[in-house]
Amino acid sequence: QVQLQESGPGLVKPSGTLSLTCAVSGGSISSDEWWTWVRQPPEKGLEWIGEIYHSGSTNYNSSLKSRVTISVDKSKNQFSLKLSSVTAADTAMYYCALWNIWGQGTMVTVSS
Amino acid sequence: DIVMTQTPLSLSVTPGQPASISCKSSQSLLHGDGKTYLYWYLQKSGQSPQLLIYEVSSRFSGVPDRFSGSGSGTDFTLKISRVEAEDVGVYYCMQGIYLRAFGQGTRLEIK
Repeated sequence: QVQLQESGPGLVKPSGTLSLTCAVSGGSISSDEWWTWVRQPPEKGLEWIGEIYHSGSTNYNSSLKSRVTISVDKSKNQFSLKLSSVTAADTAMYYCALWNIWGQGTMVTVSS
Repeated sequence: DIVMTQTPLSLSVTPGQPASISCKSSQSLLHGDGKTYLYWYLQKSGQSPQLLIYEVSSRFSGVPDRFSGSGSGTDFTLKISRVEAEDVGVYYCMQGIYLRAFGQGTRLEIK
């Protein structure tokens, strides 16, 4: 059974870059899956950020596309999210997920 | 971009009674491969979302059969035949045909 675990700084300064990693265990990141990032601001709904295939092919939410980069590291069996030029509006719980499996999420706060 | 619209945004149900949530997409979710990429998730308080239904009507492993999904094209419904206390949470539909997008969520509470 695949498990996903997010990690990264819980606090990011405004105008900085948010960087998170999702470690994949119990399965290979080279499997036929799209590896996804989703976020959820406090007391709000889910927002799809983007996804990556092990080949490196990516899809991004059009509203975030100019600031998002998702990458994959096959050697470490993990994938990563970078979100640049962050503001308080980027404060959220960030989840990595497959269509049927979600990580526990990691809270990121944007504040000086 | 495809927009997903859920109704109602909240509902209060007596245990043992049925519940129904509607999800409408701004474009058809029928793919050329014949599948319709509509999913339903439940997010319980303090937890990650969990998959209930995939491809409109297929229950995910371990999901009780009181949950059912139906619909086609742009109109979809999640039904709970007899609501139980453990069903409390926020329900989201999600489209998977063109990128991904979630509905706003429907909060279910017990009367």
